[in-house]
Amino acid sequence: QQQVKQSPQSLIVQKGGISIINCAYENTAFDYFPWYQQFPGKGPALLIAIRPDVSEKKEGRFTISFNKSAKQFSLHIMDSQPGDSATYFCAASRTGGGADGLTFGKGTHLIIQP
Amino acid sequence: DAGVIQSPRHEVTEMGQEVTLRCKPISGHDYLFWYRQTMMRGLELLIYFNNNVPIDDSGMPEDRFSAKMPNASFSTLKIQPSEPRDSAVYFCASSSTNTYEQYFGPGTRLTVT
Repeated sequence: QQQVKQSPQSLIVQKGGISIINCAYENTAFDYFPWYQQFPGKGPALLIAIRPDVSEKKEGRFTISFNKSAKQFSLHIMDSQPGDSATYFCAASRTGGGADGLTFGKGTHLIIQP
Repeated sequence: DAGVIQSPRHEVTEMGQEVTLRCKPISGHDYLFWYRQTMMRGLELLIYFNNNVPIDDSGMPEDRFSAKMPNASFSTLKIQPSEPRDSAVYFCASSSTNTYEQYFGPGTRLTVT
């Protein structure tokens, strides 16, 4: 059972455009939703994270939008740059009672064309 | 801080051999996680520790896999005997109770022939 579904699998965006990646989760116990960026040969790097008590969080060019009723969240990359070309993973976990392991989406391979 | 440190970065071994992967978490972090990444299954949690105690090992594939955390600054993941289907990139991550943010190491790429 895939608890976090991520789409699209791959995405091509022109430089300066907006990249949008979507995720949906099933487990209503999840209360922590991070996004990771991974370059080839490297470990996933934490980009930005959100909790269900807010509907949006922005850090620089990266924004998470969260819809608790629909159990969906998305990553928006504004003014996309070639250096943003990487694989992006959404994830979810429970934090009540302490940290828990992350359940990851399958990833989105993002290419920003110059 | 040096971040999460993993060794070796690459490991090539023959089927049936024992493999030991090592991890040093970020100083002060009280959670340590082991993940595996493959093309087929993506990133999946294997096991995690809190204050050196294993909390959830339900993701460990089978008895051939074992993990230990003898102290706050060191953990091992052992595969004995190894099989070709164990070929993957194994990541270690650590976090603090205060933030829940997990920071990943560079990974160990394991190839079992």
